[in-house]
Amino acid sequence: DAGVIQSPRHEVTEMGQEVTLRCKPISGHNSLFWYRQTMMRGLELLIYFNNNVPIDDSGMPEDRFSAKMPNASFSTLKIQPSEPRDSAVYFCASSLDLAGGMDEQFFGPGTRLTVL
Amino acid sequence: AQSVTQPDIHITVSEGASLELRCNYSYGATPYLFWYVQSPGQGLQLLLKYFSGDTLVQGIKGFEAEFKRSQSSFNLRKPSVHWSDAAEYFCAVGVTGRRALTFGSGTRLQVQP
Repeated sequence: DAGVIQSPRHEVTEMGQEVTLRCKPISGHNSLFWYRQTMMRGLELLIYFNNNVPIDDSGMPEDRFSAKMPNASFSTLKIQPSEPRDSAVYFCASSLDLAGGMDEQFFGPGTRLTVL
Repeated sequence: AQSVTQPDIHITVSEGASLELRCNYSYGATPYLFWYVQSPGQGLQLLLKYFSGDTLVQGIKGFEAEFKRSQSSFNLRKPSVHWSDAAEYFCAVGVTGRRALTFGSGTRLQVQP
């Protein structure tokens, strides 16, 4: 299995531009998570989906951030307009969660976003 | 809400020495507990997990962790550290009904030759 795939691996953009991060979860997994990692705040959950449905988006910082999961094999995280404080590493993770249970999350390599 | 504390931000050990990384959690019931490792520029890799049963859990790369309910702790140990173990280590907590994990702030491990 190729694992969780994220693209791009690095993104440099200017303030005000739209940024789209992409994630392909492991085939067969039914939960998908977006995390953000910064020096100041560590690893924080932005949003997670179960069976393509957003379950908890309380971590999404503001309306500039949006996430979609149109099907079981693809998700996007969009920032519009981007700001320098959005600079971080964004991780996507997926897991196979049985009802009432929890299993490990498999992480992608991350997208390092720099907003100038 | 659950929380995770990793009190040591940075630890340096000599190669071959033993290692213990501390993790304390706050949650009213027994949580699901995880240790992940992150090498520079990489994603997170699971080392081990505790869901129930035996409180001493074996993981990959020679790591183990012990769940101590009375101390709300899940410390990570390795008897002999290798230079390749230099990385950042994250403890994480999961709770029933919420699939997302809560991560600690991480402990950066440096290994001296």
